[in-house]
Amino acid sequence: AQKVTQAQTEISVVEKEDVTLDCVYETRDTTYYLFWYKQPPSGELVFLIRRNSFDEQNEISGRYSWNFQKSTSSFNFTITASQVVDSAVYFCALRRGNSGGSNYKLTFGKGTLLTVNP
Amino acid sequence: AAGVIQSPRHLIKEKRETATLKCYPIPRHDTVYWYQQGPGQDPQFLISFYEKMQSDKGSIPDRFSAQQFSDYHSELNMSSLELGDSALYFCASSLGGLTEAFFGQGTRLTVV
Repeated sequence: AQKVTQAQTEISVVEKEDVTLDCVYETRDTTYYLFWYKQPPSGELVFLIRRNSFDEQNEISGRYSWNFQKSTSSFNFTITASQVVDSAVYFCALRRGNSGGSNYKLTFGKGTLLTVNP
Repeated sequence: AAGVIQSPRHLIKEKRETATLKCYPIPRHDTVYWYQQGPGQDPQFLISFYEKMQSDKGSIPDRFSAQQFSDYHSELNMSSLELGDSALYFCASSLGGLTEAFFGQGTRLTVV
């Protein structure tokens, strides 16, 4: 069974602060993918990043960065110099790798509500 | 770029009524997923289709059914609606396991 844990239910920061959202996962699959999605107040789910289990390189995209550590089963997300527009619920998700078959459903964590105050 | 289209965006139904939600995946995507997100909850997987065949099933009530048609669009049919069915219903599509799942904007169903 797959499981994703986002221990932080809510985080509140002041604009320009850095903030890290934690994600810990469990899986028996040897290959898998990890994802982060953003859900702003308008409700849509916006894809942010996909990382496969073979690639432990950290990634930076503008103010966003991701730290994948297989040894601790963690895939943390950092926003640098946060802005009010970053306020949203952020979901970490897990999916099996491309090992054949056709069931690629996502298992989501409970989400972290980030509020960035001006 | 074309995205996943869901209709309607909002739907209000009374208890015991039926509802049909539609999903049009991104062109050339062969896999469609349905998720249900209750208030303050994470999205829960309901069902998926690959090349018009059901490929996986999650916590979908027996009152719900779904199918994928020859043009790859999918419909989620919900009968005997209950108050607890009020939720945001997402459809997503992907090219099998080769791409991430792209989500539609969701259908907000309110059962009164």
